[in-house]
Amino acid sequence: DVKVTQSSRYLVKRTGEKVFLECVQDMDHENMFWYRQDPGLGLRLIYFSYDVKMKEKGDIPEGYSVSREKKERFSLILESASTNQTSMYLCASSLVSDNYGYTFGSGTRLTVV
Amino acid sequence: AQSVTQPDIHITVSEGASLELRCNYSYGATPYLFWYVQSPGQGLQLLLKYFSGDTLVQGIKGFEAEFKRSQSSFNLRKPSVHWSDAAEYFCAVAPGYSTLTFGKGTMLLVSP
Repeated sequence: DVKVTQSSRYLVKRTGEKVFLECVQDMDHENMFWYRQDPGLGLRLIYFSYDVKMKEKGDIPEGYSVSREKKERFSLILESASTNQTSMYLCASSLVSDNYGYTFGSGTRLTVV
Repeated sequence: AQSVTQPDIHITVSEGASLELRCNYSYGATPYLFWYVQSPGQGLQLLLKYFSGDTLVQGIKGFEAEFKRSQSSFNLRKPSVHWSDAAEYFCAVAPGYSTLTFGKGTMLLVSP
């Protein structure tokens, strides 16, 4: 079964810490995405990547960066975590040939205290 | 910019009753439209999608959606709801190459 795996289900971090959220897919998908999900706001796109070492800003990139050194792995980085980054983070991937056929991970619930 | 609006935050439906979840889109041309479902503690799963052609789209789990250009709507329907359908449902539109813009979601509660 194809999968998008997010390394942590729950994370608690302190304000000011550098936080890494990891996402790995085993489907050889070219496209990868990071969304955050907040009650009443739905999903909002943070960053996405079409290929290794490529990245594009989404709708809310401020306070985040990403890294894609290998095709299967897409990392979201919070350079200095703040309480307003407490959220559910969802990773997704898709094939270039099926751009909207997203496969989502189960999410990482991050709490910044 | 393309966007979708889901007017209902919560909907409660009796098990066995029919369901309609509303979605309105904002876009000048024919949009690419999607419905996703998120069960508790899970990621999102694609139910169905509309690109062009037949305006009534069949999806998984017995869901269907109808694209109505005149009403700028893409409502999701199911003739008979099961308790396992309780979840959050998201409508989405494709504003650009490979990315999706999601609505704020509608939480479906199923009563016995």
